[in-house]
Amino acid sequence: NAGVTQTPKFQVLKTGQSMTLQCAQDMNHNSMYWYRQDPGMGLRLIYYSASEGTTDKGEVPNGYNVSRLNKREFSLRLESAAPSQTSVYFCASSGKGGPLAEQYFGPGTRLTVT
Amino acid sequence: QKEVEQNSGPLSVPEGAIASLNCTYSDRGSQSFFWYRQYSGKSPELIMSIYSNGDKEDGRFTAQLNKASQYVSLLIRDSQPSDSATYLCAGGNYGQNFVFGPGTRLSVLP
Repeated sequence: NAGVTQTPKFQVLKTGQSMTLQCAQDMNHNSMYWYRQDPGMGLRLIYYSASEGTTDKGEVPNGYNVSRLNKREFSLRLESAAPSQTSVYFCASSGKGGPLAEQYFGPGTRLTVT
Repeated sequence: QKEVEQNSGPLSVPEGAIASLNCTYSDRGSQSFFWYRQYSGKSPELIMSIYSNGDKEDGRFTAQLNKASQYVSLLIRDSQPSDSATYLCAGGNYGQNFVFGPGTRLSVLP
């Protein structure tokens, strides 16, 4: 039981390049989330998917797109990377969805945009 | 803007002491609260969840919630050097998602 997995672990991009961060969970959870974590700012929600087939914007969605490919997988795409998107990105999942459910995090992707 | 506030620390305690971590939140409608531990360079790991006023104990950890004062805390008894990490507080409300605090860095000194 791997829990939540993310690929890649590290990535360096040049400004303007695109990439997709992959996330998968094997806990049969309905809800999945993408966060970014910057020093001193805590975790900020980018996008979430309450259930398969739905996605919604979080606090900081600009510059990102998401796809809920199936119940297990939720990807985050940067279409044209900017230095301001340098951050650590975490994927999380929860069983029940909504604000009362505990979220479980993947190992993270460290992204640097030069 | 809903906010969760924490003292960034570092909070230093000697080994074997009680570490007390505090969190306040601005959204009176928040229904659920969570404490996560995050080691440097690692992902957040869930320690405790609490939904009702009062105390909830799990091993060396006790979470305390006071909704009237909009305050939630985490006590770590018999602190160990392995408890040295950043502790994140999060709150949730119906129709909204989690709001995380910036975290408190705890250092347990041998």
